[in-house]
Amino acid sequence: KAGVTQTPRYLIKTRGQQVTLSCSPISGHRSVSWYQQTPGQGLQFLFEYFSETQRNKGNFPGRFSGRQFSNSRSEMNVSTLELGDSALYLCASRGGSLTGELFFGEGSRLTVL
Amino acid sequence: QKEVEQNSGPLSVPEGAIASLNCTYSDRGSQSFFWYRQYSGKSPELIMFIYSNGDKEDGRFTAQLNKASQYVSLLIRDSQPSDSATYLCALGKDNNNDMRFGAGTRLTVKP
Repeated sequence: KAGVTQTPRYLIKTRGQQVTLSCSPISGHRSVSWYQQTPGQGLQFLFEYFSETQRNKGNFPGRFSGRQFSNSRSEMNVSTLELGDSALYLCASRGGSLTGELFFGEGSRLTVL
Repeated sequence: QKEVEQNSGPLSVPEGAIASLNCTYSDRGSQSFFWYRQYSGKSPELIMFIYSNGDKEDGRFTAQLNKASQYVSLLIRDSQPSDSATYLCALGKDNNNDMRFGAGTRLTVKP
C-alpha cells in the first residue's frame, strides 16, 4: 500500500512569489491535513480537508489556502511568500480508524530567499 | 498560552534508563492524546494514543494521562540508542479531525 506522497520535495522561491504544494493521501483515506514545521515551533496546524470540504483551520493568514479534489488529493497554496514561510510543509492523511492516527508524507521543504 | 506545551529538551539519558517525556495542554475539553516519534530528517509516526485517565502500556512504552491536571506523559523503559528522536505530543479535537501538536522534546539515549 503506497504511503502519502508529497511533491515537490524541495523548492526555492523568492519573496513575493507564490507556491503550490501537492499531496496524494493513502488510497482510501479521505481526510488530509497540512502542517508547517519549523525549528522551535514544532508542527503547526494549517487546515484539514475531508471530501473536498475544509473542516478545520489553524491560525494562519489568508495567504495560506488549500483545496481537495474528488480523488482526495490535496493542494496547498501560499501567496506573496515571506522569508518566515521557509519551513517543512507536511501533509498527513487519515482513514476511518478510531485511533485517529495520522500518516505523514515526507514533506515539502520550502526555502524563501 | 500554547495549546500543547512540551519541554524542548534536549533530554539525555543513558542506555537502559527510563526516559520521561512530559506534555501539558490547555483545552480541558480535549479527549484524545497521542505521542508521535520523529527521527531526524524523517516524518512523524504514531507510537501511542491514550483516551482515558491512567496508564496505558505497550512494550517498553507507557503513556500516562491525568485530565484533572491536564497532563500527559510518555515513559520509555530500557531506553535504547535507537530511541533517540524528537517526541511530539498531540491532542485530538473535533473527533480527531483537528490534531494539534506540541513543539516536541528531543531525546538522546547515550550508549
